[in-house]
Amino acid sequence: QSALTQPASVSGSPGQSIAISCTGTSSDVGSYDYVSWYQQHPGKAPKLLIYDVIKRPSGGSDRFSGSKSGNTASLTISGLQAEDEADYYCCSYTSSYTRVFGGGTKLTVL
Amino acid sequence: EVQLVQSGGGFVQPGGSLKLSCEASGFSFSNYEMHWVRQPPGKGLEWVSYISSSGSTSYYTDAVRGRFTISRDNAKNSLYLQMNSLRAEDTAVYYCVRDGVFFLYWGQGTLVTVSS
Repeated sequence: QSALTQPASVSGSPGQSIAISCTGTSSDVGSYDYVSWYQQHPGKAPKLLIYDVIKRPSGGSDRFSGSKSGNTASLTISGLQAEDEADYYCCSYTSSYTRVFGGGTKLTVL
Repeated sequence: EVQLVQSGGGFVQPGGSLKLSCEASGFSFSNYEMHWVRQPPGKGLEWVSYISSSGSTSYYTDAVRGRFTISRDNAKNSLYLQMNSLRAEDTAVYYCVRDGVFFLYWGQGTLVTVSS
């Protein structure tokens, strides 16, 4: 049950687009379209951004989008805003019926 | 409005036990799968355990299997996590979370500190 691999940090300027990768294995990301993404601000509970690789929850911002290729999923944030500065986590269903999170990525808006 | 209200966290010595509770409201609790997710201070999220809507099926991360037990009482709209043989590395904020393969609704989190 190794954690999914995410970059520790990414940064971008307001208005730019950034992407965060999430690499797993053929036992999780590569085999199921059950990848979800979460945003977490300090001291707060995580917030669901994307589920089933590409879907947004009702009321979710269309500046957030998801994709997947092979064992790697990605979250893209377009039109970067100051309030996007937060930690981001991916999560996948696994072949053992468990779930596994990525290590998290800290996004800095310059 | 969906609400998950947690209780039961606190300070415990290594080897001790603690039981977390999560009371649900605003939805038909017995129809939904539930999870526990934890976050050590300053670190990332870690999935801990899952329970089916009926309570008949459960899964655990390797780090807690055999020490933690997830359960639910659908008549009381409540989810539980019994934690035994606690270790320092179990220190974390624990969240109860609703839903199956993704986590839409989260409790407010409760801090469990394991220290001598």
